[in-house]
Parts: sequence; structure tokens; C-alpha cells
Amino acid sequence: QSVLTQPPSVSGAPGQRVTISCTGSSSNIGAGHYVHWYQQLPGTAPKLLIYAYTNRPSGVPDRFSGSQSGTTASLAITGLQAEDEAHYYCQSYDGSLSANWVFGGGTKLTVL
Amino acid sequence: QVQLQQSGPRLVKASQTLSLTCDISGDSVSSSSAAWHWIRQSPSRGLEWLGRTYFRSGWFDNYALSVKSRITINPDTARNQFSLQLTSVTPEDTAVYYCARDLDLGFDSWGQGTLVTVSS
Repeated sequence: QSVLTQPPSVSGAPGQRVTISCTGSSSNIGAGHYVHWYQQLPGTAPKLLIYAYTNRPSGVPDRFSGSQSGTTASLAITGLQAEDEAHYYCQSYDGSLSANWVFGGGTKLTVL
Repeated sequence: QVQLQQSGPRLVKASQTLSLTCDISGDSVSSSSAAWHWIRQSPSRGLEWLGRTYFRSGWFDNYALSVKSRITINPDTARNQFSLQLTSVTPEDTAVYYCARDLDLGFDSWGQGTLVTVSS
């Protein structure tokens, strides 16, 4: 069971908007530790998609955006494209656990 | 553009030691702004952080409690690389292992991943 909770799957049609939630607790997201998001395509390493809640690394389309409120962070993807079909993971730091860098269980995005 | 290249055996026998190396290009293992991590991924455990090494006027490391008694991460400044050693492995340690760079703003660079299978 992951420290950060994500829905196992979401889906949307091309052009639609989807959101993926990441729920933590007072020792990680609620403590103000940054949340980062990764996209993982089959057979490849995760790729940093959003860092520090809302920032996109160079080269990431502005269709991807992040937000945070309380102990929950969210990833939004607008104008869905077939190439967005992938697994998405949130990640943060937890000050109370033995494993300080923690991940969500991942969400599989299916583009219908 | 930093690149991380992993190497090491893909098959390890139970009770033996898993050893992987991550070669760094485009940055330095001795960088005072980076930390160098090992992370693994398996269907049963998902993405699991294992540990890190970093240089801040001296070498430091941190390890996940779940593997703390069995893990060592060492920097090699001469070769600009860092390594993972995990002792007394069991089939539960079968996973894809990744090295990654952290600039305090997420893991921005990852190695290609190495599937390590522990045979019983």
C-alpha cells in the first residue's frame, strides 16, 4: 500500500480533460513538501512531468498542469492525445517515515 | 544534458549480493547541488525509493529502513559514477532498478533501468 493514494485508472476521449488526484497526509503533502509528477510509457523509465506542484520542465506541453490543496495534489491533462496513454505517478517527501521519498501507486490513463 | 547509464548483472542468486553501477555524464557525482538515488519498481511494491548519496562538504547517504541493514550506495569520484550493493537478496528483491538524479525539484534524470531477477 503506497503512502500517496492515486486512483488506479482514469480514461478520457481525445480532446477531453482528465484529472488525477494524489492524496497524502500531514507528514508529506500536508507538511508542505513538494509534489512531483512522472509519466511512464511502457518499457521506459519514468519521466519528470511536473515539479514542485505546478512547474513544467522544458519540453513538457502546457496541456499538463499541476495543483495542490491541503493534503491533495492533482495533475490535469487537457486536450487528450493518444500519446498521453501511460502510467502517471506522484511523488513527495515524507518526514515521518523510514522511506523518505515516497511515491503514489500510479494511475493508468487510457485514451478511448 | 545529464545522462545516466546503468550496468550490472541481471541475474543474481538468492542470498548473494546485487551490484549495480550508474555512470554519470553531463554532471558530477561530487556536485554540491545534486543527490544521486537508487529506486526500484516491481508489480507488488510499485516504485520504491532505496537510498541516496550526496556531497555537501563531505559525503552523506540515506537509506530506506526496509533495506537499511542490507544496502550500501557508494560514490566513485574517479569514474564519476555511483553504485548500489544490496546483500542477502531474496526473490522479493526482483525488480527493475533505476538510478536517478535529484536537484531538490524531483528526479529529473533517470537511468535506463535494469531488470534484476533473483533466482531461488
